[in-house]
Amino acid sequence: QSALTQPASVSGSPGQSITISCTGTSSDVGGYKYVSWYQQYPGKAPKLIIYEVTNRPSGVSNRFSGSKSGNTASLTISGLQAEDEADYYCSSYRTSSTWVFGGGTKLTVL
Amino acid sequence: EVQLVESGGGLVQPGGSLRLSCAASGFTLSSYWMHWVRQAPGKGLVWVSHINTEGSTTSYADSVKGRFTISRDSAKNTLYLQMNSLRAEDTAVYYCARDGVGTIDLDSWGQGTLVTVSS
Repeated sequence: QSALTQPASVSGSPGQSITISCTGTSSDVGGYKYVSWYQQYPGKAPKLIIYEVTNRPSGVSNRFSGSKSGNTASLTISGLQAEDEADYYCSSYRTSSTWVFGGGTKLTVL
Repeated sequence: EVQLVESGGGLVQPGGSLRLSCAASGFTLSSYWMHWVRQAPGKGLVWVSHINTEGSTTSYADSVKGRFTISRDSAKNTLYLQMNSLRAEDTAVYYCARDGVGTIDLDSWGQGTLVTVSS
């Protein structure tokens, strides 16, 4: 059960936009609409920020957006802010009632 | 307010057993799919196990299949993870998480409980 592939790190300056990719297979990301994204600060529990590829839970900033093309999903953060510095994880439902996470991406705001 | 509180973590020797609990409040546990997710120190999130609303369907990551068992007690509104034959690589913070209604995502998480497997 291999993890989804994410870049280990990305960085950007305040005000800029960044995109984090999440690559899987047709058995997970490419085969279902159930891709979600989580934000995690050090020592804290993850927080859901995107579900079903493009949807934001109530209270999540509209600076966060999601998309998917084929077997690759993406999280875009626009108008980067210092508070966005965190780890980000993608997740997908996978065939046979299992789930899989990406390896995580550390976002640094320069 | 939705709240999930894990407990039961601690230090255990290789080959030992431990049972984690996740007490839910602010919602009825049996109305939701539930998951366990773990995170080794300094590493990423790894999905461990899932249980459906009735408790009739469970699933596990290959790495824990046959050793871990997920269950729930509706009367106590509590989720469990029985962990047997523990290995050093099971060392991690274990989170319980609630699956969203009508969607498949983990919309609420506990604070986690640390399990350390070491002699």
